[in-house]
Amino acid sequence: GQSLEQPSEVTAVEGAIVQINCTYQTSGFYGLSWYQQHDGGAPTFLSYNALDGLEETGRFSSFLSRSDSYGYLLLQELQMKDSASYFCAVRVLNTGGFKTIFGAGTRLFVKA
Amino acid sequence: ETGVTQTPRHLVMGMTNKKSLKCEQHLGHNAMYWYKQSAKKPLELMFVYNFKEQTENNSVPSRFSPECPNSSHLFLHLHTLQPEDSALYLCASSQGASGGGEQYFGPGTRLTVT
Repeated sequence: GQSLEQPSEVTAVEGAIVQINCTYQTSGFYGLSWYQQHDGGAPTFLSYNALDGLEETGRFSSFLSRSDSYGYLLLQELQMKDSASYFCAVRVLNTGGFKTIFGAGTRLFVKA
Repeated sequence: ETGVTQTPRHLVMGMTNKKSLKCEQHLGHNAMYWYKQSAKKPLELMFVYNFKEQTENNSVPSRFSPECPNSSHLFLHLHTLQPEDSALYLCASSQGASGGGEQYFGPGTRLTVT
């Protein structure tokens, strides 16, 4: 079957750096995305990695290692507004076509 | 604002009611999606439409019936729902249903089945 694992909760202090890991077991892996969702809000896209390596967008970076079936989201200079849930999502391509599978989400608490 | 709107934002319905959820995207995308988000569970992809054609139906019960009249509009018709169907229903769109990347989500409809 297809599965993703990410920690359920992470707590960090304002100004710090936090890394949210995502490991996956899938067939037909195509790419890994990250989404942010604040309470009561809709998920918003953060990043997408199809190739190994680090992608940087401002304070957020995302990393992928296809050989390790592993990725992470790195948040730097944490701010209180970064408190939210973060979902990794795997895009797979199988005989039935493309599918997106979401992880259960990591709840990030940023403390002052 | 992501360019994807959903109505209504909140809906309470009885198990014998029929209602519809509406989604509209103003982004010129070709693919649209319905997701179900229940508390403490992963987002569940329900249906995918690409160029108005349904390309995915992830074993969704027939009491949920999608309709996609054009690439900008997506409906989810609901009838004889169960209390366990109470959840946040999210619509999303993307440039294509293939490849990777970015889906734009609407704000969702919070559905309560009584």
